[in-house]
Amino acid sequence: AQKVTQAQTEISVVEKEDVTLDCVYETRDTTYYLFWYKQPPSGELVFLIRRNSFDEQNEISGRYSWNFQKSTSSFNFTITASQVVDSAVYFCALSEAQVGTSYGKLTFGQGTILTVHP
Amino acid sequence: DAGVIQSPRHEVTEMGQEVTLRCKPISGHNSLFWYRQTMMRGLELLIYFNNNVPIDDSGMPEDRFSAKMPNASFSTLKIQPSEPRDSAVYFCASSFDLGAYEQYFGPGTRLTVT
Repeated sequence: AQKVTQAQTEISVVEKEDVTLDCVYETRDTTYYLFWYKQPPSGELVFLIRRNSFDEQNEISGRYSWNFQKSTSSFNFTITASQVVDSAVYFCALSEAQVGTSYGKLTFGQGTILTVHP
Repeated sequence: DAGVIQSPRHEVTEMGQEVTLRCKPISGHNSLFWYRQTMMRGLELLIYFNNNVPIDDSGMPEDRFSAKMPNASFSTLKIQPSEPRDSAVYFCASSFDLGAYEQYFGPGTRLTVT
């Protein structure tokens, strides 16, 4: 069965600090997809990124970057020069692409609460 | 383009009453998902559909919960009778298809059962 672990329950930083959110996953499939979602205080879940299991290139989007390492089954998320508006709950998720009992399901981690103080 | 639309945004009801939550997925998306979020259990997948057909309802907690998708642009989640432990935020999400595609979430319905 697939599993996503976000070991950091809460992180608190001061504005302009860099912060990394950890995500470790478990799956038996060779083809799978990893996602990050942001849930700001308004409550809606916002899609941030999707990576497939064959693409281990790191990705950067503005102040956001993602580090995917199959060797350690990790898909970590770094925010550079954090801002108060980054305060939210961040979820990592996994989807298996091969038809089976978990096909089509997103398995979410428990989430990391990030608080950025001014 | 409009995102996933859910109604109502807030619902307060008394125990024993029937509750119906509604969802309109993004146009062109073939897959629709219903989730429940609570502090205790986090995000739970209740049921999902592909091409209007229920694929997996193993997450539906009890027979009191039912979901339908009569067409590609509308789905309902019904709780009958409702209980205080059903209080949660219920999200609907849609995606282009199953597996490889990201899901886009609606704003959620905050349900309070007193």
